[in-house]
Amino acid sequence: QKEVEQNSGPLSVPEGAIASLNCTYSDRGSQSFFWYRQYSGKSPELIMSIYSNGDKEDGRFTAQLNKASQYVSLLIRDSQPSDSATYLCAVDTGGFKTIFGAGTRLFVKA
Amino acid sequence: ETGVTQTPRHLVMGMTNKKSLKCEQHLGHNAMYWYKQSAKKPLELMFVYSLEERVENNSVPSRFSPECPNSSHLFLHLHTLQPEDSALYLCASSQGDSSYNEQFFGPGTRLTVL
Repeated sequence: QKEVEQNSGPLSVPEGAIASLNCTYSDRGSQSFFWYRQYSGKSPELIMSIYSNGDKEDGRFTAQLNKASQYVSLLIRDSQPSDSATYLCAVDTGGFKTIFGAGTRLFVKA
Repeated sequence: ETGVTQTPRHLVMGMTNKKSLKCEQHLGHNAMYWYKQSAKKPLELMFVYSLEERVENNSVPSRFSPECPNSSHLFLHLHTLQPEDSALYLCASSQGDSSYNEQFFGPGTRLTVL
Protein backbone atom coordinates (compact mmCIF):
# COMPACT_ATOMS: atom_id res chain seq x y z
CA GLN A 1 0.00 0.00 0.00
CA LYS A 2 1.29 3.41 -0.97
CA GLU A 3 1.97 5.58 2.06
CA VAL A 4 3.02 9.05 3.07
CA GLU A 5 4.48 9.40 6.56
CA GLN A 6 4.79 12.54 8.65
CA ASN A 7 5.62 13.16 12.28
CA SER A 8 2.33 14.21 13.86
CA GLY A 9 4.04 16.67 16.20
CA PRO A 10 3.27 19.03 17.67
CA LEU A 11 6.40 20.84 16.53
CA SER A 12 6.93 23.93 18.63
CA VAL A 13 9.32 26.70 17.53
CA PRO A 14 9.83 30.26 18.79
CA GLU A 15 8.87 33.21 16.65
CA GLY A 16 11.58 34.06 14.15
CA ALA A 17 13.08 30.57 14.11
CA ILE A 18 13.20 28.09 11.23
CA ALA A 19 10.54 25.37 11.29
CA SER A 20 11.50 22.14 9.54
CA LEU A 21 8.78 19.71 8.50
CA ASN A 22 9.57 16.30 7.05
CA CYS A 23 7.79 13.69 4.99
CA THR A 24 8.67 10.29 3.52
CA TYR A 25 6.78 8.39 0.86
CA SER A 26 6.74 4.79 -0.27
CA ASP A 27 5.95 4.94 -4.01
CA ARG A 28 9.27 5.38 -5.78
CA GLY A 29 7.47 6.26 -9.03
CA SER A 30 5.87 9.39 -7.59
CA GLN A 31 6.57 12.54 -9.59
CA SER A 32 4.72 15.44 -7.94
CA PHE A 33 4.88 16.55 -4.33
CA PHE A 34 2.87 19.15 -2.47
CA TRP A 35 2.67 20.90 0.87
CA TYR A 36 -0.68 22.11 2.12
CA ARG A 37 -1.38 24.26 5.17
CA GLN A 38 -4.59 23.62 7.10
CA TYR A 39 -5.76 25.94 9.84
CA SER A 40 -8.07 24.48 12.47
CA GLY A 41 -11.60 24.21 11.11
CA LYS A 42 -10.52 25.21 7.60
CA SER A 43 -9.73 23.35 4.38
CA PRO A 44 -6.21 22.62 3.08
CA GLU A 45 -4.49 25.43 1.20
CA LEU A 46 -1.73 24.65 -1.32
CA ILE A 47 1.46 26.47 -0.38
CA MET A 48 4.24 24.68 -2.28
CA SER A 49 4.65 22.23 -5.16
CA ILE A 50 7.91 20.54 -6.14
CA TYR A 51 8.63 18.18 -8.99
CA SER A 52 12.40 17.79 -9.32
CA ASN A 53 15.22 17.02 -6.93
CA GLY A 54 16.65 19.95 -5.02
CA ASP A 55 15.26 23.06 -3.41
CA LYS A 56 12.43 25.34 -4.43
CA GLU A 57 12.01 28.65 -2.65
CA ASP A 58 8.91 30.85 -2.42
CA GLY A 59 9.15 33.71 0.03
CA ARG A 60 9.73 32.32 3.52
CA PHE A 61 9.02 28.76 2.36
CA THR A 62 11.54 26.31 0.90
CA ALA A 63 10.56 22.85 -0.28
CA GLN A 64 13.26 20.21 -0.61
CA LEU A 65 12.96 16.97 -2.57
CA ASN A 66 15.25 13.94 -2.57
CA LYS A 67 13.75 11.22 -4.75
CA ALA A 68 16.57 8.76 -4.06
CA SER A 69 15.78 8.91 -0.34
CA GLN A 70 12.01 9.31 -0.98
CA TYR A 71 12.02 12.35 1.23
CA VAL A 72 10.32 15.75 1.04
CA SER A 73 10.73 18.60 3.48
CA LEU A 74 9.37 22.08 4.06
CA LEU A 75 11.37 24.83 5.74
CA ILE A 76 9.64 27.92 7.06
CA ARG A 77 12.05 30.75 7.78
CA ASP A 78 11.31 33.58 10.22
CA SER A 79 8.34 31.62 11.60
CA GLN A 80 5.36 33.72 12.66
CA PRO A 81 2.48 32.87 15.03
CA SER A 82 0.24 32.99 11.94
CA ASP A 83 2.16 29.97 10.60
CA SER A 84 0.68 27.85 13.40
CA ALA A 85 -1.34 25.22 11.55
CA THR A 86 -1.25 21.61 10.43
CA TYR A 87 0.98 21.01 7.40
CA LEU A 88 -0.01 18.20 5.07
CA CYS A 89 2.45 16.49 2.75
CA ALA A 90 0.85 15.10 -0.40
CA VAL A 91 2.29 12.86 -3.10
CA ASP A 92 0.82 12.37 -6.56
CA THR A 93 1.22 8.71 -7.43
CA GLY A 94 -0.32 9.10 -10.88
CA GLY A 95 -3.74 8.41 -12.32
CA PHE A 96 -5.41 11.24 -10.37
CA LYS A 97 -4.44 9.62 -7.10
CA THR A 98 -2.85 11.86 -4.48
CA ILE A 99 -1.90 10.34 -1.14
CA PHE A 100 -1.90 12.68 1.86
CA GLY A 101 0.03 12.31 5.08
CA ALA A 102 -1.76 12.74 8.38
CA GLY A 103 -0.08 16.12 8.87
CA THR A 104 2.32 17.77 11.30
CA ARG A 105 0.96 20.30 13.78
CA LEU A 106 3.17 23.36 14.06
CA PHE A 107 3.03 25.86 16.92
CA VAL A 108 4.96 29.10 16.65
CA LYS A 109 5.35 30.73 20.06
CA ALA A 110 5.30 34.53 20.23
CA GLU B 1 -17.70 33.41 -6.86
CA THR B 2 -14.09 32.36 -7.08
CA GLY B 3 -12.18 29.16 -6.48
CA VAL B 4 -14.09 26.15 -5.23
CA THR B 5 -17.36 26.54 -3.34
CA GLN B 6 -19.28 23.97 -1.32
CA THR B 7 -22.78 23.95 0.11
CA PRO B 8 -23.99 23.46 2.71
CA ARG B 9 -21.13 24.32 5.04
CA HIS B 10 -22.71 22.39 7.91
CA LEU B 11 -25.18 19.50 7.81
CA VAL B 12 -26.80 17.49 10.56
CA MET B 13 -28.80 14.49 9.45
CA GLY B 14 -30.39 11.39 10.86
CA MET B 15 -29.45 7.93 9.69
CA THR B 16 -32.63 7.61 7.64
CA ASN B 17 -32.34 10.94 5.85
CA LYS B 18 -31.29 11.61 2.28
CA LYS B 19 -29.23 14.70 1.58
CA SER B 20 -26.82 15.99 -1.07
CA LEU B 21 -23.59 17.95 -0.92
CA LYS B 22 -22.82 20.34 -3.74
CA CYS B 23 -19.48 21.52 -5.08
CA GLU B 24 -18.80 24.09 -7.80
CA GLN B 25 -15.42 25.09 -9.20
CA HIS B 26 -14.77 28.40 -10.97
CA LEU B 27 -11.18 27.62 -12.00
CA GLY B 28 -11.78 26.10 -15.42
CA HIS B 29 -10.44 22.75 -14.23
CA ASN B 30 -11.43 19.42 -15.73
CA ALA B 31 -11.04 17.10 -12.74
CA MET B 32 -12.97 17.11 -9.47
CA TYR B 33 -12.54 15.10 -6.27
CA TRP B 34 -14.38 14.17 -3.10
CA TYR B 35 -12.32 13.58 0.05
CA LYS B 36 -13.32 12.60 3.58
CA GLN B 37 -11.37 14.02 6.51
CA SER B 38 -11.92 12.45 9.91
CA ALA B 39 -10.24 13.58 13.11
CA LYS B 40 -6.57 12.59 13.34
CA LYS B 41 -6.69 10.65 10.06
CA PRO B 42 -5.23 11.50 6.65
CA LEU B 43 -7.50 12.76 3.92
CA GLU B 44 -9.22 9.82 2.29
CA LEU B 45 -9.87 10.03 -1.44
CA MET B 46 -13.43 8.94 -2.19
CA PHE B 47 -14.14 9.71 -5.84
CA VAL B 48 -12.45 11.37 -8.80
CA TYR B 49 -14.08 12.63 -11.97
CA SER B 50 -12.12 13.64 -15.05
CA LEU B 51 -14.01 15.24 -17.91
CA GLU B 52 -17.23 14.17 -16.15
CA GLU B 53 -16.21 10.48 -16.16
CA ARG B 54 -15.56 8.71 -12.87
CA VAL B 55 -11.92 7.56 -12.87
CA GLU B 56 -11.49 6.60 -9.23
CA ASN B 57 -13.82 4.95 -6.74
CA ASN B 58 -11.89 4.21 -3.63
CA SER B 59 -13.97 1.35 -2.18
CA VAL B 60 -16.54 3.76 -0.84
CA PRO B 61 -19.78 2.32 0.63
CA SER B 62 -22.78 2.56 -1.66
CA ARG B 63 -24.55 4.90 0.77
CA PHE B 64 -22.36 7.58 -0.84
CA SER B 65 -23.27 8.26 -4.47
CA PRO B 66 -21.41 10.84 -6.57
CA GLU B 67 -22.71 12.73 -9.56
CA CYS B 68 -20.83 14.97 -11.97
CA PRO B 69 -23.22 16.60 -14.47
CA ASN B 70 -20.51 18.82 -15.98
CA SER B 71 -16.90 19.78 -15.38
CA SER B 72 -17.85 22.61 -12.99
CA HIS B 73 -20.26 20.79 -10.69
CA LEU B 74 -19.95 17.78 -8.42
CA PHE B 75 -22.50 16.32 -6.04
CA LEU B 76 -22.32 13.72 -3.28
CA HIS B 77 -25.67 12.11 -2.54
CA LEU B 78 -26.01 10.68 0.96
CA HIS B 79 -28.52 8.12 2.22
CA THR B 80 -28.82 5.88 5.28
CA LEU B 81 -25.53 7.10 6.68
CA GLN B 82 -23.93 5.83 9.88
CA PRO B 83 -22.61 7.90 12.80
CA GLU B 84 -19.04 6.97 11.77
CA ASP B 85 -19.64 8.87 8.53
CA SER B 86 -19.54 12.12 10.50
CA ALA B 87 -16.55 14.04 9.11
CA LEU B 88 -15.45 17.00 7.03
CA TYR B 89 -16.19 16.35 3.36
CA LEU B 90 -13.91 18.24 1.04
CA CYS B 91 -14.25 18.89 -2.66
CA ALA B 92 -11.21 19.72 -4.78
CA SER B 93 -10.47 20.44 -8.41
CA SER B 94 -7.41 20.31 -10.62
CA GLN B 95 -6.31 20.61 -14.21
CA GLY B 96 -6.23 16.84 -14.55
CA ASP B 97 -4.34 16.67 -17.81
CA SER B 98 -1.49 18.67 -16.35
CA SER B 99 1.65 16.84 -15.31
CA TYR B 100 1.49 18.59 -11.98
CA ASN B 101 -2.12 18.05 -10.88
CA GLU B 102 -2.20 20.72 -8.19
CA GLN B 103 -5.49 20.38 -6.32
CA PHE B 104 -7.45 23.28 -4.88
CA PHE B 105 -9.93 22.65 -2.12
CA GLY B 106 -13.29 24.09 -1.24
CA PRO B 107 -14.15 25.09 2.34
CA GLY B 108 -15.72 21.71 3.10
CA THR B 109 -19.03 20.50 4.52
CA ARG B 110 -18.99 19.51 8.19
CA LEU B 111 -21.35 16.53 8.37
CA THR B 112 -22.81 15.16 11.58
CA VAL B 113 -24.85 11.96 11.47
CA LEU B 114 -27.05 11.38 14.50
